Amino acid sequence: QSVLTQPPSVSGAPGQRVTISCTGRSSNIGAGFDVHWYQQLPGTAPKLLIYGNNNRPSGVPDRFSGSKSGTSASLAITGLQAGDEADYYCQSHDSSLSGWVFGGGTTLTVL
Amino acid sequence: EVQVLESGGGLVQPGGSLRLSCAASGFTFSNYAMSWVRQAPGKGLEWVSGISDSGGSTHYADSVKGRFTISRDNSKKTLSLQMSSLRVDDTAVYYCAKVVFGVVTPRGYFDNWGQGTLVTVSS
Repeated sequence: QSVLTQPPSVSGAPGQRVTISCTGRSSNIGAGFDVHWYQQLPGTAPKLLIYGNNNRPSGVPDRFSGSKSGTSASLAITGLQAGDEADYYCQSHDSSLSGWVFGGGTTLTVL
Repeated sequence: EVQVLESGGGLVQPGGSLRLSCAASGFTFSNYAMSWVRQAPGKGLEWVSGISDSGGSTHYADSVKGRFTISRDNSKKTLSLQMSSLRVDDTAVYYCAKVVFGVVTPRGYFDNWGQGTLVTVSS
């Protein structure tokens, strides 16, 4: 069981908007620690998608955005494309564990 | 271009040992903390271990503490993970990742990942 909780799956039609939640607790997200997001396309390594809650690395389309409030964070994807089908993971720091933690991952299906 | 390339994976029996390596290029290796992250077959990501830029500070997940040892050679731009007392549940793809903002820091994250190397622990 992961320290950060994500829904196992989400889906949406092409062009639609979807959000993926990441719920933590007072020792991680609720403590004010940054949340980062990674995209893992089928059969490939994870790739940084969002860092520092809402910042996009160079090359990541502005269709991807992040937000954080309280003990939760969210990843929003607008204008869904078939190429967005992937697993998405959130990551933060946990003071109780003295380490980095990931969410369990969310599989996005574009219908 | 930043690149990290893992090697050393393979099949090992429970209780055995294995050493993973990661060769870095395209950035000043000695300026960055590095980490290992693993992914069991069909499962999610799990942070395993991290090391500071100088190698003077190391951190481990509870699941591997006392069994795994992370190290680095800045002169050779290589990161290593010595794994011992391996268990079946250590079976995973192990990724080497470049860290931003230092090892196990509240703001830290992984901005570049290798393609991974598969470790299979089985009798």
